[in-house]
Amino acid sequence: QKEVEQNSGPLSVPEGAIASLNCTYSDRGSQSFFWYRQYSGKSPELIMSIYSNGDKEDGRFTAQLNKASQYVSLLIRDSQPSDSATYLCAVRLGGKLIFGQGTELSVKP
Amino acid sequence: KAGVTQTPRYLIKTRGQQVTLSCSPISGHRSVSWYQQTPGQGLQFLFEYFSETQRNKGNFPGRFSGRQFSNSRSEMNVSTLELGDSALYLCASSPAGQSSYEQYFGPGTRLTVT
Repeated sequence: QKEVEQNSGPLSVPEGAIASLNCTYSDRGSQSFFWYRQYSGKSPELIMSIYSNGDKEDGRFTAQLNKASQYVSLLIRDSQPSDSATYLCAVRLGGKLIFGQGTELSVKP
Repeated sequence: KAGVTQTPRYLIKTRGQQVTLSCSPISGHRSVSWYQQTPGQGLQFLFEYFSETQRNKGNFPGRFSGRQFSNSRSEMNVSTLELGDSALYLCASSPAGQSSYEQYFGPGTRLTVT
């Protein structure tokens, strides 16, 4: 079992819809959770961090963490074509950041 | 604030050679981590340096090494290059301390080994 798992996608949503990206992790000792966005040919960009159970909102982005279920998600409201990118889930474990393989999101105009 | 910078941006080397990549963190950031990104393996952690000491290490062979200088700038070295070392090498910096683990990535160095 991989330490951090994401659906590879592609996930396709129409412009204006809500995009839902999911991530599960295997180690209950994981402490911090992050979502990065990576455009093709570019480096990852931090968009959200979450440390405790519940929801954290920042603009159109909402991160949700459920430690009991070892599950973290990212919701993107009012999706725009400019949101089309690969979204990477990262989990801090033992001083290291472990990344999932990423979910490719495509927002269609 | 200026972001993380990495040099060079692109590099072509021959199998068996060695290479040194450089990273300058965001001003005030004392932790620097290195990652390798390939299409097959994704983003994999190489090592982290904090206050000139390696704090964490990933599962890479000893050919991969790094160091950090007193000004927090970091270098990583890969010796005896193999074709499989072709990848995007990313450096990320983080503010001081274990509690602050948000990492900010540089643009990366694209290494091609022929």
